[in-house]
Amino acid sequence: RKEVEQDPGPFNVPEGATVAFNCTYSNSASQSFFWYRQDCRKEPKLLMSVYSSGNEDGRFTAQLNRASQYISLLIRDSKLSDSATYLCVVNRPDSGNTGKLIFGQGTTLQVKP
Amino acid sequence: DVKVTQSSRYLVKRTGEKVFLECVQDMDHENMFWYRQDPGLGLRLIYFSYDVKMKEKGDIPEGYSVSREKKERFSLILESASTNQTSMYLCASSSAGTKETQYFGPGTRLLVL
Repeated sequence: RKEVEQDPGPFNVPEGATVAFNCTYSNSASQSFFWYRQDCRKEPKLLMSVYSSGNEDGRFTAQLNRASQYISLLIRDSKLSDSATYLCVVNRPDSGNTGKLIFGQGTTLQVKP
Repeated sequence: DVKVTQSSRYLVKRTGEKVFLECVQDMDHENMFWYRQDPGLGLRLIYFSYDVKMKEKGDIPEGYSVSREKKERFSLILESASTNQTSMYLCASSSAGTKETQYFGPGTRLLVL
């Protein structure tokens, strides 16, 4: 079983649609959770951290379900510029304070006009 | 503005050559990382450094070595390049801690012939 699993997609949606990505992680001891965004042929960049109570940043909402070891990202009112690969990321719980991360393979989103 | 730079965007080398990839960060970060990214496999950690002259093996260290002589610089060395090391190489840095953002360089696309 992969440590972080995501549906690779691609998700093809029209502009204005709402789209949700899901991710599961295998180690219940993980404590830090993130979504990174990677544009085509570019480096990954932090989109948002994911907090236990859920959090929102504009059109983006992240949720965490520790019991199910499940993380989600909801994008409302999709824009063409949201087209990218979204990486689900968790910390390695056995790595102390080193900040080592485990990256999912990513979910590709293509927003069409 | 945060900056991580990598010495080359594209590199073509021959099998058996020694290859040096350099990474420099200007944020005074303690942690630096080298990843490779391959289709279907996501980002995989090659090596990690949490301080000058300190290093730890990641998930796939075979065929690679690293050097960190100065805090801002982290080098990845392919001792004898092989075709299966053709990949995108990404360097990242972060402050110490489990909730810190990793900042990535633009990547080096290496082709080994």
